[in-house]
Amino acid sequence: SAVISQKPSRDICQRGTSLTIQCQVDSQVTMMFWYRQQPGQSLTLIATANQGSEATYESGFVIDKFPISRPNLTFSTLTVSNLSPEDSSIYLCSFLTGRHTEAFFGQGTRLTVV
Amino acid sequence: EDQVTQSPEALRLQEGESSSLNCSYTVSGLRGLFWYRQDPGKGPEFLFTLYSAGEEKEKERLKATLTKKESFLHITAPKPEDSATYLCAVPNQAGTALIFGKGTTLSVSS
Repeated sequence: SAVISQKPSRDICQRGTSLTIQCQVDSQVTMMFWYRQQPGQSLTLIATANQGSEATYESGFVIDKFPISRPNLTFSTLTVSNLSPEDSSIYLCSFLTGRHTEAFFGQGTRLTVV
Repeated sequence: EDQVTQSPEALRLQEGESSSLNCSYTVSGLRGLFWYRQDPGKGPEFLFTLYSAGEEKEKERLKATLTKKESFLHITAPKPEDSATYLCAVPNQAGTALIFGKGTTLSVSS
């Protein structure tokens, strides 16, 4: 099965700063996804990252706050900008296999904003 | 609106005490139902995908079943290492991403 690596695994950031999370897949995938998991909650989709085009954001998430890059078919970054304590969450990257039979997740990035 | 509802929110079992977790969904044209296991501080780990009513899949002490409106994850003779949060998810209408339930947190004590 494909391997997906995400880093950093955790970080503590000052409010007003930004954090960039990286996600690397060991094979080419068409779409990558970024999710947020707030404390005690399930996963909420932030955006879909397509190579060669702008990311598609879900309702309630905007590009200025969550800029995404997708420079090639194996890599993506999510930046969480202008951090506030409400951004403290786990952020996860994911991809679906070509036939959508399985979905894999990175290990997650636990962000704490102080 | 597509929804995924899991019950119970939390389940405490004694080692060896079998039980079931429920996942109900309201999405038209189901294109698969996914079960995941998530340990604290980690990303979800893929368990199963089910596609059609009547389908069953097994992995060690876990068996997932699917009907037209819900799925069950049966845990037979659980062990403490089965303690985790179990998530189910279905693809959205566009088939481009997954909609997750809130999960069932299972605790198995010896």
